Amino acid sequence: GAVVSQHPSRVICKSGTSVKIECRSLDFQATTMFWYRQFPKQSLMLMATSNEGSKATYEQGVEKDKFLINHASLTLSTLTVTSAHPEDSSFYICSARASGGGYGYTFGSGTRLTVV
Amino acid sequence: GENVEQHPSTLSVQEGDSAVIKCTYSDSASNYFPWYKQELGKRPQLIIDIRSNVGEKKDQRIAVTLNKTAKHFSLHITETQPEDSAVYFCAPRDTGRRALTFGSGTRLQVQP
Repeated sequence: GAVVSQHPSRVICKSGTSVKIECRSLDFQATTMFWYRQFPKQSLMLMATSNEGSKATYEQGVEKDKFLINHASLTLSTLTVTSAHPEDSSFYICSARASGGGYGYTFGSGTRLTVV
Repeated sequence: GENVEQHPSTLSVQEGDSAVIKCTYSDSASNYFPWYKQELGKRPQLIIDIRSNVGEKKDQRIAVTLNKTAKHFSLHITETQPEDSAVYFCAPRDTGRRALTFGSGTRLQVQP
């Protein structure tokens, strides 16, 4: 079945630094990828929709200059958390749909970000 | 965007009992209705889904029912087992965003 690889699984960074998270579709092409954030004991909240070859679409309240998304190829989307602060500590998880639509959504394994 | 409400937030049942979780949504154009199970620190796992042209779908102990008129769908787990203990999310597809919108989650605890 469709597999999405997400790296790193865990990262600890210092306040003010930047962290890049990669999401790669391994056996299918994904024109669209979705980035979610999940705080402890809460639901997954959509942050942005990543579109191959064009700008990402950000949800209301998500700073596009802080959460940089790049979707340069049909198999790779990256999320960079810039100037990270402790309140950015969360579980970040990506999801992809295969090109051509359909209903299947595949999730990455998630990245636990801790900002100290 | 899609507004999703999920109830109950917690559910405790005895092993062997049934569990039902309900999800209501607002987007009348939604056409895909999945349920996910998430264990601590892990990705959500799809356990069952239903499309808008079907009213009910069953897979062994798990079933989903859909009422498009009332805009709600429910997850039914029968003969619950301790390993069913997890957080369950409904996530109807927002046709505008093309993304899944997750409900607030239900923490299911199955007591042995």
